[in-house]
Amino acid sequence: ILNVEQSPQSLHVQEGDSTNFTCSFPSSNFYALHWYRWETAKSPEALFVMTLNGDEKKKGRISATLNTKEGYSYLYIKGSQPEDSATYLCALYTGTASKLTFGTGTRLQVTL
Amino acid sequence: DGGITQSPKYLFRKEGQNVTLSCEQNLNHDAMYWYRQDPGQGLRLIYYSQIVNDFQKGDIAEGYSVSREKKESFPLTVTSAQKNPTAFYLCASIANRGPNYGYTFGSGTRLTVV
Repeated sequence: ILNVEQSPQSLHVQEGDSTNFTCSFPSSNFYALHWYRWETAKSPEALFVMTLNGDEKKKGRISATLNTKEGYSYLYIKGSQPEDSATYLCALYTGTASKLTFGTGTRLQVTL
Repeated sequence: DGGITQSPKYLFRKEGQNVTLSCEQNLNHDAMYWYRQDPGQGLRLIYYSQIVNDFQKGDIAEGYSVSREKKESFPLTVTSAQKNPTAFYLCASIANRGPNYGYTFGSGTRLTVV
């Protein structure tokens, strides 16, 4: 079983703060890395799918980078807002049957 | 709107009973998945299906069974053989088009054994 690790486990920031979290994964046989946002009482929602080393993707105030050689991805949130409060999951695409191996998530809470 | 519907949202089961969790999608996706979430752990794969009438065990299939008689439907049965069934269950689907596409998830079913 692949080991996908996320840190920190939880994070509490003030509105307007910028923040980032890490996803670490085995660098061998890399296919793709997914990021999802999971708000309480809702379905997880895909944020980014990243496939190339050095890739950087952006959606509004949220961006992600990927380093496949060293096996990590960063998710950045600029100017956090209360609506950014959610659990952020990363998942490694294994290349077999489109299966994903998930990290345990980073729970972000943004307060006023 | 297209999406995945899971039902029920909450389910209570007595020990020794089998229960079936429903997952229906209208996205015309080929592949469907069942994941389980426990506190402090990542989502773990129970079963998956890439095409109708075919399914494969995931990492924690013991005590579970599935069927895929229709493309739209992938029900999960939690049997009495599952030793710790209390958990949150998520269903997901994806069109089989390679690594560049994310999953679509349902909103989950919380199963509690009483």
